Amino acid sequence: DAGITQSPRHKVTETGTPVTLRCHQTENHRYMYWYRQDPGHGLRLIHYSYGVKDTDKGEVSDGYSVSRSKTEDFLLTLESATSSQTSVYFCATIQGPQETQYFGPGTRLLVL
Amino acid sequence: SQQGEEDPQALSIQEGENATMNCSYKTSINNLQWYRQNSGRGLVHLILIRSNEREKHSGRLRVTLDTSKKSSSLLITASRAADTASYFCATDVEGLIQGGSEKLVFGKGTKLTVNP
Repeated sequence: DAGITQSPRHKVTETGTPVTLRCHQTENHRYMYWYRQDPGHGLRLIHYSYGVKDTDKGEVSDGYSVSRSKTEDFLLTLESATSSQTSVYFCATIQGPQETQYFGPGTRLLVL
Repeated sequence: SQQGEEDPQALSIQEGENATMNCSYKTSINNLQWYRQNSGRGLVHLILIRSNEREKHSGRLRVTLDTSKKSSSLLITASRAADTASYFCATDVEGLIQGGSEKLVFGKGTKLTVNP
């Protein structure tokens, strides 16, 4: 998975609890992304980062925050999880000869 | 809002047949990309076609782009059971660098099933 790891890979949590997902890359890529994937909606961008401490919102950023204090780590936080945030979350970076997006293995989150 | 829309949503064919998937988009683009996703896995980049290109090949994949119709097609020739996956098109929206992938908008995907 292109040198990208995500943790945890699976998580079950309760409504109202905070949740942090971690994306870790080992190859010093500048851009990092968080997407969510839901049936009928495809892949939607939550937040992205273009450098340490440089982040911006995506299409579905409400209810999510991110932080990037080191090049290799991009954290996604759900401050107070809701059932609508049950989803599969993917991290991605830009890499390769054509500078395209490469994806991590995903985190499956269930909010009860 | 969805930029790219794939058609059909699902496609079932026999091994050895060709599979064609289409993607339509709404605004002008610098490039269009196709990705593949096996069940339970992350997306994998297949091919990128730039707005000044009309056709591109990679192995058994052939991609066309018609910017006047704002559409692209992905053809997989001589399909195999291992090609069973979902296929997504993605278009760049705000390329900071000409032809960049800094911000992509993905379609909802075509689910391809290749029967042995």
